[in-house]
Amino acid sequence: SQQGEEDPQALSIQEGENATMNCSYKTSINNLQWYRQNSGRGLVHLILIRSNEREKHSGRLRVTLDTSKKSSSLLITASRAADTASYFCATVMNTGFQKLVFGTGTRLLVSP
Amino acid sequence: GAGVSQSPSNKVTEKGKDVELRCDPISGHTALYWYRQRLGQGLEFLIYFQGNSAPDKSGLPSDRFSAERTGESVSTLTIQRTQQEDSAVYLCASSLSSDRVTSPLHFGNGTRLTVT
Repeated sequence: SQQGEEDPQALSIQEGENATMNCSYKTSINNLQWYRQNSGRGLVHLILIRSNEREKHSGRLRVTLDTSKKSSSLLITASRAADTASYFCATVMNTGFQKLVFGTGTRLLVSP
Repeated sequence: GAGVSQSPSNKVTEKGKDVELRCDPISGHTALYWYRQRLGQGLEFLIYFQGNSAPDKSGLPSDRFSAERTGESVSTLTIQRTQQEDSAVYLCASSLSSDRVTSPLHFGNGTRLTVT
């Protein structure tokens, strides 16, 4: 079963605007990761945030983590048409077997 | 350097036939994962290898599914007596270590399986 749920399921914006995607999860985690998937391709790792971190930046990406609310957000600033893709959050739980459990994804469309 | 390589990229098979999917991980990556992705869906965990042992096979959907790995290299996912519901993209990923999965996963482009 999937641990994470992304919101919204689909997002359509214009170039230059910011895009915010949210992820909620159910159980205590060790870390949370965001991945991007272009159509017909594999996933590409974007950023990892550990459970003791609250915010992390990488270029135009900003990720926040609120463990009390069991949620994370991914912000892409000054979006470009090339950012069009599906974005997935994935969690690693604190107990049990260590594997990445993926959410359902947000499909982002950035129009020129 | 080379990334994760999967073959074939596309496979069309008739219901009831067996298929074998191959994954070549990045050299030196000890952990290897198989996921399944149905059209428009998220990723469903199938199996994980640490070296050539598989600590967790709980994600395999049925006993028609099996996987093996040779040392810390090639892995094959075999689906016997394929059914139409097996149609999906099968993604393989590898990582440097499986320690709480703090190493990013590197994914191949997947094998698109269509069962007719």
